Amino acid sequence: NAGVMQNPRHLVRRRGQEARLRCSPMKGHSHVYWYRQLPEEGLKFMVYLQKENIIDESGMPKERFSAEFPKEGPSILRIQQVVRGDSAAYFCASSPMLGETGGDEQFFGPGTRLTVL
Amino acid sequence: GDSVTQMEGPVTLSEEAFLTINCTYTATGYPSLFWYVQYPGEGLQLLLKATKADDKGSNKGFEATYRKETTSFHLEKGSVQVSDSAVYFCALSATGGGNKLTFGTGTQLKVEL
Repeated sequence: NAGVMQNPRHLVRRRGQEARLRCSPMKGHSHVYWYRQLPEEGLKFMVYLQKENIIDESGMPKERFSAEFPKEGPSILRIQQVVRGDSAAYFCASSPMLGETGGDEQFFGPGTRLTVL
Repeated sequence: GDSVTQMEGPVTLSEEAFLTINCTYTATGYPSLFWYVQYPGEGLQLLLKATKADDKGSNKGFEATYRKETTSFHLEKGSVQVSDSAVYFCALSATGGGNKLTFGTGTQLKVEL
């Protein structure tokens, strides 16, 4: 069973460009979470999605950031008009449906390291 | 809101030394508690977890006990190895699980020969 896949692993953008980060959850997982890790800091929750639904976006910046998890395909975290402060590692995690065995455990991908020049 | 406090690093130990990394939390209800490990350039891997008071999570020689009375979940290992060098994160998820994780800031561990 393949783990959580994220691509690209490294992404370089200039200020003002758009960044698209992709996450494919583990097979059978219907919940996806996005976290951001700033340099020398812990991970901060951004958004929690199920297929076609945003469940909790309390950690998302109000502007420029959006996330989706369509019925088909990977989850996408989109950052418009990037600024230098967006430089960070963005991690995706997935979990099984709530109530199933291990439903409270999240499995993390290797992350996408975004650098904004 | 929920929060996790970890001891600051880096922690530098000699191989075979005893390890303790302190973690305390603030949360309503009965959260699940986790320790994750991050090796350089990689994502987080679940090391161990505990879902209710007095539970002990253990894995690869590491263990931590969910102490509700002291709101703590300290990580311990009796004899560390160089390969244990990594960043360790304590985390909690709200009552009921399957929800967002709240992380501590992480503690870097360096084990030397």
